[in-house]
Amino acid sequence: GENVEQHPSTLSVQEGDSAVIKCTYSDSASNYFPWYKQELGKRPQLIIDIRSNVGEKKDQRIAVTLNKTAKHFSLHITETQPEDSAVYFCAAYSWGKFQFGAGTQVVVTP
Amino acid sequence: DTEVTQTPKHLVMGMTNKKSLKCEQHMGHRAMYWYKQKAKKPPELMFVYSYEKLSINESVPSRFSPECPNSSLLNLHLHALQPEDSALYLCASSQSDRGYEQYFGPGTRLTVT
Repeated sequence: GENVEQHPSTLSVQEGDSAVIKCTYSDSASNYFPWYKQELGKRPQLIIDIRSNVGEKKDQRIAVTLNKTAKHFSLHITETQPEDSAVYFCAAYSWGKFQFGAGTQVVVTP
Repeated sequence: DTEVTQTPKHLVMGMTNKKSLKCEQHMGHRAMYWYKQKAKKPPELMFVYSYEKLSINESVPSRFSPECPNSSLLNLHLHALQPEDSALYLCASSQSDRGYEQYFGPGTRLTVT
């Protein structure tokens, strides 16, 4: 089955700096890669996603890149703000279900 | 509207109780999902319903019994649970069974005593 590895497990950044989270996947059949943000005590919230026929997607301060050959994808957050502090999960979709990464705790310090 | 609702928000039950969790969406989504999430861990898939039919059961113990009465509703019936079943139970839905744009409900925080 699919296996998704996510790094780093924790990330501390200064407000205004950029944050990058990386994920690798194993199943070449995976064709959809969403990113979820989960604040403490709240639901996972879909923040951006990318399909396998696209290499990059951007939405304001967040962007996702996908390298199908290397089987990795990354989340980029620019100009980080304190409200970006949360746990971020990547996921890969194949064979009817998601496999989630272990999560990255992002802390943005003012 | 991308809202999935779940009731109750919190549930405390004994190991001999029977209870049900409810999930509802009115986005016309045809796939619905149950996940279990432990603290500081990613969601773990339990069940997938596609067009009101159970399509995936991730080898979940029979003390968890899903039900999809119609395309908008998803239930999870609980019976004879164990303390290790205490977790956040999340419902999600997506427009099709291809998983694209899957939206989560707020979850039910379950405590088994």
